[in-house]
Amino acid sequence: EPEVTQTPSHQVTQMGQEVILRCVPISNHLYFYWYRQILGQKVEFLVSFYNNEISEKSEIFDDQFSVERPDGSNFTLKIRSTKLEDSAMYFCASSDLGGATDTQYFGPGTRLTVL
Amino acid sequence: SQQGEEDPQALSIQEGENATMNCSYKTSINNLQWYRQNSGRGLVHLILIRSNEREKHSGRLRVTLDTSKKSSSLLITASRAADTASYFCATAPTSGGSYIPTFGRGTSLIVHP
Repeated sequence: EPEVTQTPSHQVTQMGQEVILRCVPISNHLYFYWYRQILGQKVEFLVSFYNNEISEKSEIFDDQFSVERPDGSNFTLKIRSTKLEDSAMYFCASSDLGGATDTQYFGPGTRLTVL
Repeated sequence: SQQGEEDPQALSIQEGENATMNCSYKTSINNLQWYRQNSGRGLVHLILIRSNEREKHSGRLRVTLDTSKKSSSLLITASRAADTASYFCATAPTSGGSYIPTFGRGTSLIVHP
C-alpha cells in the first residue's frame, strides 16, 4: 500500500540554524500538507500546497517557514532560523482531491529538537 | 473555534472490553473524522462521517454523530492490546472554502492484555 514517507525521523539542531524536513507524498496525490505537534499537545495545521503554490496557511506559518516541491516527488518544509519553541513532531500529509471529504494520509513524522 | 475536544483525556480498559470516546465541537461541520496515533508515530485515518450521517461502522469501530448536540462518539468493540493509542477527532468546516481539519487534544487509550 502506498504511504507517505518522511526524512529524517529525528533532527537535532542548534537554535538559529536552518533545517529542511523532507517528505515524499503518495505519488498520485495532488494536495500536500504540513502539520506539527508539540509534545503532549494537539496536532496543528501549518500549511497546505497545491499546484506549486500555498493554498492555505495558519498563523504559525510565519516568514521563518517555507515550503517547496523541488521535483516531482519531494515536498519540503524549511525553517530558516529555528527557535526553541519549534521543537515538535512535524507531520507531512497528502491527499488526492483536497476536498472536505478527502482523506489525508500522514507520514510517520520528523521529530525536531532545537537546542 | 472549530476544534473538536475529546473526552475522556485518558481511558484504561481490559482487553475484550469496549472503549467509548467522545468528541464535542462548537460550530457547523461538513464532516468529522477520527484518527489514531500510536506513540511517536503519524496519524492513521480511521473513519469519516458526514454531517448528514448519524452512524457509521468499520470493522470493530462504530462512530455516531449528533449534529444537534455537536458531538460524536467512537466505539471500539472487543478491544485488543494493539488498540492502545491516542485517538483524535478532527472537524472540517462547512464554509469559508477551508478543508483543513482541526484536531482535538485526543483521548489516550490503554488496553491491558
